[in-house]
Amino acid sequence: NAGVTQTPKFRILKIGQSMTLQCTQDMNHNYMYWYRQDPGMGLKLIYYSVGAGITDKGEVPNGYNVSRSTTEDFPLRLELAAPSQTSVYFCASSFSGTSTDTQYFGPGTRLTVL
Amino acid sequence: DAKTTQPTSMDCAEGRAANLPCNHSTISGNEYVYWYRQIHSQGPQYIIHGLKNNETNEMASLIITEDRKSSTLILPHATLRDTAVYYCIVRAYSNSGYALNFGKGTSLLVTP
Repeated sequence: NAGVTQTPKFRILKIGQSMTLQCTQDMNHNYMYWYRQDPGMGLKLIYYSVGAGITDKGEVPNGYNVSRSTTEDFPLRLELAAPSQTSVYFCASSFSGTSTDTQYFGPGTRLTVL
Repeated sequence: DAKTTQPTSMDCAEGRAANLPCNHSTISGNEYVYWYRQIHSQGPQYIIHGLKNNETNEMASLIITEDRKSSTLILPHATLRDTAVYYCIVRAYSNSGYALNFGKGTSLLVTP
């Protein structure tokens, strides 16, 4: 049981480039989340999904896109990378999304945009 | 959305109890208090949560005051591996469902 896995671990992009951050969970969780964490700050929610085919915006969605075609995978797409997107990105999943539901986090992807 | 207030940083000697306070004076009656921690460069890790009663698990204890306006996370015998940022979160319903709302947390340094 690997939990939540993320690839790549590190990436450097040039301004204007695109990339997809991968996230996979093997716990059969319905809910999945993408957060970003800027230096010295807490995590901010980018997008979340309540199940395959259903996604919704979080607090900071601008510049990102997501899709959820399967229960296991929740990729995050950056179309035109900007320096403001330099951050650490964490994917998380949970079973039911209720107030007593524990979220499990992946190890993160450290992205630098130059 | 209930906000939390935590000290920026704390120190604790190895082997002693670490008591991390959190104020959440505007918490509503059905909102849970959650604690997560983040060891340097890793993803956040769930520790414990509670509503009204004190809770204990293999990692920590959570003490919630009777008026629910504050709580304390207790690591009974801190080790060097407990050095991390600890986040106190009030789980409130928002436009993003019950997504976790992380503040800046408390940076705990456990010293030998």
